Amino acid sequence: QSVLTQPPSVSAAPGQRVTISCSGSSSNIGNKNVAWYQQLPGTAPKLLIYDNNKRPSGIPDRFSGSKSGTSATLGITGLQTGDEADYYCGTWDSSLSAGVFGGGTKLTVL
Amino acid sequence: QLQLQESGPGLVKPSETLSLTCTVSGGSISRSSYFWGWIRQPPGKGLEWIGNIFYSGRTYYNPSLKRRVTISVDTSKNQFSLRLTSVTAADTAVYFCARDHGSSCILDNWGQGTLVAVSS
Repeated sequence: QSVLTQPPSVSAAPGQRVTISCSGSSSNIGNKNVAWYQQLPGTAPKLLIYDNNKRPSGIPDRFSGSKSGTSATLGITGLQTGDEADYYCGTWDSSLSAGVFGGGTKLTVL
Repeated sequence: QLQLQESGPGLVKPSETLSLTCTVSGGSISRSSYFWGWIRQPPGKGLEWIGNIFYSGRTYYNPSLKRRVTISVDTSKNQFSLRLTSVTAADTAVYFCARDHGSSCILDNWGQGTLVAVSS
């Protein structure tokens, strides 16, 4: 059971917009910034979003992040078949003094 | 360009110790304010944060693994290492090393990962 809760799967058509939620608590998302990762099949995760809504160099602005209270959301617009991947949220948990991840969300682009 | 590469045995027997090394190239472990971390992913499952280390030796560990895990750093070789004792089949996973910003699980450079199977 993951400390952060994500939906197991989401789907949308090419060109559409999708959001992925990440729910936590006051000891993690509630007082720490959130990062999002994209993991394509057979590859290492890639940092997509950090500090809730910042994009590393090279990440297109189709990817966005937000945070409110103890939840965070990843948004992807203009969906492409190449966006099919597993997406993970992550943050620090002050009570555990450890990093924590969500269980992951599989995105299917129909 | 920073690169990380995991190395170590791909097969470990139950009850023995898993040992992996991450070699960092393109940057110095000790000349930075970053942590260096380990993450694992059992086959078909999600990511699990194992722990991280600062070049000074300061470590943080996942409480569920803390009793069995040791992460160490060798700045002279620009490497950091993972030891996991008393392994079982549940420790079978792809193990990744990564550069960790230390504050909010920001892992911006990853190794390709190495599969470690626990089996007799």
